[in-house]
Amino acid sequence: EIVLTQSPDFQSVTPKEKVTITCRASQSIGSSLHWYQQKPDQSPKLLIKYASQSFSGVPSRFSGSGSGTDFTLTINSLEAEDAATYYCHQSSSLPRTFGQGTKVEIK
Amino acid sequence: QVQLQESGPGLVKPSQTLSLTCTVSGGSISSGGYYWSWIRQHPGKGLEWIGYIYYSGSTYYNPSLKSRVTISVDTSKNQFSLKLSSVTAADTAVYYCARDSGFGDIDYWGQGTLVTVSS
Repeated sequence: EIVLTQSPDFQSVTPKEKVTITCRASQSIGSSLHWYQQKPDQSPKLLIKYASQSFSGVPSRFSGSGSGTDFTLTINSLEAEDAATYYCHQSSSLPRTFGQGTKVEIK
Repeated sequence: QVQLQESGPGLVKPSQTLSLTCTVSGGSISSGGYYWSWIRQHPGKGLEWIGYIYYSGSTYYNPSLKSRVTISVDTSKNQFSLKLSSVTAADTAVYYCARDSGFGDIDYWGQGTLVTVSS
């Protein structure tokens, strides 16, 4: 099973700041890495698929990069509505796995 | 717009079988191309992938749960279901049904349903 490790676990950020979340895979997964946003008491929502492709309707301040084992989710100019937990997810092999999550708090 | 809705008991006794159904609207399961998935989230914790089913009935289960999990599909009702046997308190979680796009990303999720295992 592929293990995904996110860092940091928690980040407290001021509005308009840039946020960077990383996800490291225990083995190479090519570009089969996706990012989700989960707000309290809501289901996760797809933000970025295949490392860098924005899902329909996602604000342009969200972007992704990386390949192989190291991936990054970037939120440019954080807004208050971006307070959430962010998860990475791999679909390179079965079983599918998720990172442990990164909670982003607004200062 | 595809929508998924979980339904089933919110309380299950230990050692019994948890049963949930996901009803899909806005799209047909039998059209193919997608994998219909179950994912759970323990209270305050991260996401755990349980398994998925294709419209043809082929399945893949997480090895960590494989001995207790059955996922089935009813294309006539546009539904798919989850059964988890011999439950314990460790199975208390929010259970989500979701659609895997066929390329691995999960593009639509149900709202989730909390299942508590308790006597």
